[in-house]
Amino acid sequence: QTVVTQEPSLTVSPGGTVTLTCAPTTGAVTGGSYPNWFQQKPGHAPRPLIYRSTNKHPWTPARFSGSLLGGQAALTLSGVRPEDEAEYYCLLFHGGVWVFGGGTKLTVL
Amino acid sequence: QVQLVQSGAEVKKSGDSVKVSCKASGYAFSRNGVSWVRQAPGQGLEWMGWISADNGDINLPQKFRGRVTVTTDTYTSTAYMELRDLTSDDTAVYYCAKDYNYIIDYWGQGTLVTVSS
Repeated sequence: QTVVTQEPSLTVSPGGTVTLTCAPTTGAVTGGSYPNWFQQKPGHAPRPLIYRSTNKHPWTPARFSGSLLGGQAALTLSGVRPEDEAEYYCLLFHGGVWVFGGGTKLTVL
Repeated sequence: QVQLVQSGAEVKKSGDSVKVSCKASGYAFSRNGVSWVRQAPGQGLEWMGWISADNGDINLPQKFRGRVTVTTDTYTSTAYMELRDLTSDDTAVYYCAKDYNYIIDYWGQGTLVTVSS
């Protein structure tokens, strides 16, 4: 089964910008991968942020943006705030099934 | 507003089965799909399968075929996920999520299933 890779951990300063990436071990991310991004804080259900690569949900803060970058899906946070500290998961439609990435633990320090 | 309300926590023994329910409201349930996702303690998210409440189409990853059954009841706007032959590795929080047209936008609150040997 396909494995989807994310950075295990990243650290960013408040007010800074950080990009999280997501890619399958085989093949590239395309529009047909329909990337979704989720934020999860301890003890809570995942919170959807981005769908179909670049689209925001009505509740998604403007500082979050999604893109396709060199065969990977990317989530960029600009003007990071302390409350953005969380685990972030990507989800790709790959080989006819959904596959989650392993998650990125984002620390704001 | 859209809500997905799941059934309560379960404690099971190895070899048992568990059936988790997910009652939807606030949207046209029969025109959408439902995905099931689980998260073992301290681990990441794992997608378990999807069902269309419209036409009953099902998509399950190889890992869960033969052990997971997903169904819907459009009269009560409720989705169900049954997992059989439980082991301690199945101890996890199980989530349902509204999944239509490759957009996953609303999640249930989660159901903790604990499997003891």
